[in-house]
Amino acid sequence: AQSVTQLDSQVPVFEEAPVELRCNYSSSVSVYLFWYVQYPNQGLQLLLKYLSGSTLVKGINGFEAEFNKSQTSFHLRKPSVHISDTAEYFCAVTGFQKLVFGTGTRLLVSP
Amino acid sequence: DAGITQSPRHKVTETGTPVTLRCHQTENHRYMYWYRQDPGHGLRLIHYSYGVKDTDKGEVSDGYSVSRSKTEDFLLTLESATSSQTSVYFCAIGTGGGGDEKLFFGSGTQLSVL
Repeated sequence: AQSVTQLDSQVPVFEEAPVELRCNYSSSVSVYLFWYVQYPNQGLQLLLKYLSGSTLVKGINGFEAEFNKSQTSFHLRKPSVHISDTAEYFCAVTGFQKLVFGTGTRLLVSP
Repeated sequence: DAGITQSPRHKVTETGTPVTLRCHQTENHRYMYWYRQDPGHGLRLIHYSYGVKDTDKGEVSDGYSVSRSKTEDFLLTLESATSSQTSVYFCAIGTGGGGDEKLFFGSGTQLSVL
């Protein structure tokens, strides 16, 4: 069965600093991987997804993620964060007919 | 925004009472999902539907049932609510069963069971 592990429950960072949110996946078959973002009091929105091809995936709001098959990772990065990036971020992997989510990482951006 | 409406947005109920949450979509998407979100657990799938009257269990289905009599509506019922079912419930819709397509999420229902 597919699963994902998000290693950090919370990541504090200063505005304009770079950030990396970590995600490791487990799957016995080829996978599709996703990052979703949840702003306060809202539902989730898709940031980016990896299906195949280039291992570096660019998403919305300046985020990107790199698929690393040998390390079974799909870490999310942004070179310079803004206050408005404060949110919870979820990594997800495709399971049969459904997505399986990680436990989430709360990104806290302070001035 | 995708046309997904969850109702009610907030609900307070007592232990042992039945509760029904409604998800309504205007996108004509085939797949619909119910997730619950709890601190430290992320989103966990309760039930999902891959067509009218076609549903299946997710990882935390005990104590919940679902029905889908129309493409646009997916109902989640707590037969006899318990305090452990206090949570935020999200409905999501998609076209292809979670494969290479993205899900669209509703705004959530905050349920408190006292």
